[in-house]
Order: sequence, then C-alpha cells, then structure tokens
Amino acid sequence: GDSVTQMEGPVTLSEEAFLTINCTYTATGYPSLFWYVQYPGEGLQLLLKATKADDKGSNKGFEATYRKETTSFHLEKGSVQVSDSAVYFCALKGGNQAGTALIFGKGTTLSVSS
Amino acid sequence: EPEVTQTPSHQVTQMGQEVILRCVPISNHLYFYWYRQILGQKVEFLVSFYNNEISEKSEIFDDQFSVERPDGSNFTLKIRSTKLEDSAMYFCASSADGAVNQPQHFGDGTRLSIL
Repeated sequence: GDSVTQMEGPVTLSEEAFLTINCTYTATGYPSLFWYVQYPGEGLQLLLKATKADDKGSNKGFEATYRKETTSFHLEKGSVQVSDSAVYFCALKGGNQAGTALIFGKGTTLSVSS
Repeated sequence: EPEVTQTPSHQVTQMGQEVILRCVPISNHLYFYWYRQILGQKVEFLVSFYNNEISEKSEIFDDQFSVERPDGSNFTLKIRSTKLEDSAMYFCASSADGAVNQPQHFGDGTRLSIL
C-alpha cells in the first residue's frame, strides 16, 4: 500500500540556518503530495502542496519539489526562524487506492534556537 | 479565513462509556474526515464522509465507531464503548471536494483520554 517515510527527528537548528526535512513516498499512479505543520497546542495546518511531477510548492519561505524519479518531496527553507519550531508532516493522497484518505509520515520535530 | 472547529478540546471518559466528538467543518465544504493520532505515532485516517454517507473507511473504523451529520453544520464521531487504546488526539478535517489535488483543512483536535 501507499506509504510516506520522513527523516527521524528532532532536528535542532540555530536561527538563520538552512533547513532540509527529507520525505520519500511509495505509491503508484499520480498522488498529490502535501506538507502540513503542527505548532504546539494546535491542529495540522497545510503548509504547501504539489500535485504533479516537477511541481514546486511554496509558502512562507518553505519549498518542496515533487520528484517522481526519486519519489521524494523534501522540505527546504533557506533561513529558519524561532517561530518555525513545530512538527512537520509529509503526506500523500490519491496513490494506489486513489481514495480520499491522506497518508501521513511520522512527523519531524524542528526546534530552532536564537 | 474559515476554519474547522472541534469541541471539546479535551475529553476524559471512563472505559466502556460512549463518547461523542463534535466538529463544525468549513461551511461550503462537501467532504468530511476523521483522523486520529495516538501519542508518539502517525496521524491515521479513520473515515471520510460525503453526501450523508461513508465514502471510505480504514480498518481502525470498526463497529464501535460511527459518524453522523445531524444537521447542516455539525459532523460527529461516536465511539460506543471506549477502550483504553482509544486514547488519542482526534482530528476532524474537511475539503471542498474529493479530488486528489484538493487539500484537507484540519481542526485543532480533541484529546480523548480513557481512564
């Protein structure tokens, strides 16, 4: 079945450092890919999405490119801030089962210090 | 910006009791979902709901679970006889339609604690 694998956390960075959170997926067909963010005490917020190969999703300085050849959707940000500290979830929808469910990775905790 | 709202934020229930978790999806959305996240584990899909019926459900969503849209705004998840292992954060979500590229918008969740 479909699955998403994220790098293990926590990721600890200093302010203004470069961020990469790796995400790879397993699915056939043409899934859409998403990154969600969960700030402490809050729900899941959509950060960005990409719906076809080579699409780049971007929002709030974060970017991720849908790479079908490497089945990856890595999240990057050039300069992180303390306010970016949160848990980041990679997710896919519409792969093998072509259903409505989002399939999530385990989440990666990011901690940014000043 | 419209949002999904969930109540209560925290529910404590004795094992074996029934519990109802409530959600108000975004008003013009047509698809509704429940997910759960057991502490330290993945967010897992439970069920999706469209046009007043279940459109998809996972293996987790057994006979102890049910969903309902009792009126034009609320969407509920009922657990009939709670078990200790039902303790988790439950998230409601909604989307404008069921298309693959359509994002789902989540509420802040209800933390369910079974004693």
